[in-house]
Amino acid sequence: GNSVTQMEGPVTLSEEAFLTINCTYTATGYPSLFWYVQYPGEGLQLLLKATKADDKGSNKGFEATYRKETTSFHLEKGSVQVSDSAVYFCALRLNQAGTALIFGKGTTLSVSS
Amino acid sequence: NAGVTQTPKFRVLKTGQSMTLLCAQDMNHEYMYWYRQDPGMGLRLIHYSVGEGTTAKGEVPDGYNVSRLKKQNFLLGLESAAPSQTSVYFCASSYPSTSGGEETQYFGPGTRLLVL
Repeated sequence: GNSVTQMEGPVTLSEEAFLTINCTYTATGYPSLFWYVQYPGEGLQLLLKATKADDKGSNKGFEATYRKETTSFHLEKGSVQVSDSAVYFCALRLNQAGTALIFGKGTTLSVSS
Repeated sequence: NAGVTQTPKFRVLKTGQSMTLLCAQDMNHEYMYWYRQDPGMGLRLIHYSVGEGTTAKGEVPDGYNVSRLKKQNFLLGLESAAPSQTSVYFCASSYPSTSGGEETQYFGPGTRLLVL
């Protein structure tokens, strides 16, 4: 079946540290891949996405590259800030209309100053 | 443009009580979804709708019903609440893309439900 596996948290970093959150997927066909972020007490917001192999999604200093050969979509940021503290969800969606997102379990990031 | 809104924000129910969660979107989106979020489980799809008057089951539909009488609203009902339905419920909406797939899903702020 289709699934997403992301690294267990929590991830605790100091401000300006480098961030990597690993995400791998299993899917039939060629899914679109997403990273969503959930700040405390809020809903999910789309952080970035990639719709085909080798695409790189980027936003707010975060990047992730769609790697078909390793079925991965790892999230990276060169220098994290305290304001990046949140829960990050990797997700996939098959490219069929009306298809729901399949989420990983989420990774909590805590950044201290 | 309010996006996706959900009411109520928080509710406490006793086992066996019923309630309806309302999701509303003002973006004229065709597709709407209800997810539940539980600790360590990520988000799981309960029901979804691809258009007014149509609904379909997701991954965890048992104990829930839905209705999409108007395009902008998607209601989630609990007929007889159980403690296992304690969760945070998120609604999302999106629309078809020109490439035949689907555009980004936009999420509401969530409804926190506690069933005692």
